[in-house]
Amino acid sequence: GAVVSQHPSWVICKSGTSVKIECRSLDFQATTMFWYRQFPKQSLMLMATSNEGSKATYEQGVEKDKFLINHASLTLSTLTVTSAHPEDSSFYICSAKKTGGFPYNEQFFGPGTRLTVL
Amino acid sequence: AQSVAQPEDQVNVAEGNPLTVKCTYSVSGNPYLFWYVQYPNRGLQFLLKYITGDNLVKGSYGFEAEFNKSQTSFHLKKPSALVSDSALYFCAVREVPGFQKLVFGTGTRLLVSP
Repeated sequence: GAVVSQHPSWVICKSGTSVKIECRSLDFQATTMFWYRQFPKQSLMLMATSNEGSKATYEQGVEKDKFLINHASLTLSTLTVTSAHPEDSSFYICSAKKTGGFPYNEQFFGPGTRLTVL
Repeated sequence: AQSVAQPEDQVNVAEGNPLTVKCTYSVSGNPYLFWYVQYPNRGLQFLLKYITGDNLVKGSYGFEAEFNKSQTSFHLKKPSALVSDSALYFCAVREVPGFQKLVFGTGTRLLVSP
């Protein structure tokens, strides 16, 4: 149990276009999901915390108008990279926390989405 | 603010030998500590966590970690390494009970040679 999927697993787009990445909890409900960005050979940087039915909470330095997050259901959160530029190329990873679980329960991570902007 | 340090970029060990991947943390309150493993182009897989109780925590795939409050450390260990253990390992900490933000270390690449 506790499987998180991401779609697509990789995407290549032209500069200036928008890309949507989906994060789904397949066998559990997740009130809270998280979006991370990972640069090559670097750690994960939390971009935003996504809460079902409310606005996402963005980390300092993350442009909320560029990285649109929608958490419309207890099993789906989406990240839309708007007007993508080559510097947005990265590995994007989502995670989900089980609804009603203990506060210290682990997050379950998706397999990641590699975005390449040409 | 909480922080995590993984002082080694890479750890090399021969198959069958014991391995240790180091992690130290800094929090103002009580820590919740986690280890995750990442294989190439994949997301993170949970290995183990320390919340409270025994300082020695056992996790997946034969890994264990020892919580040392005085040294603020949470080193990952395995008695006998496998080639398939080769991957990127991340230590993470959460500080406040109920607060969900995880802070990750920079990661340590483990290379197990045959």
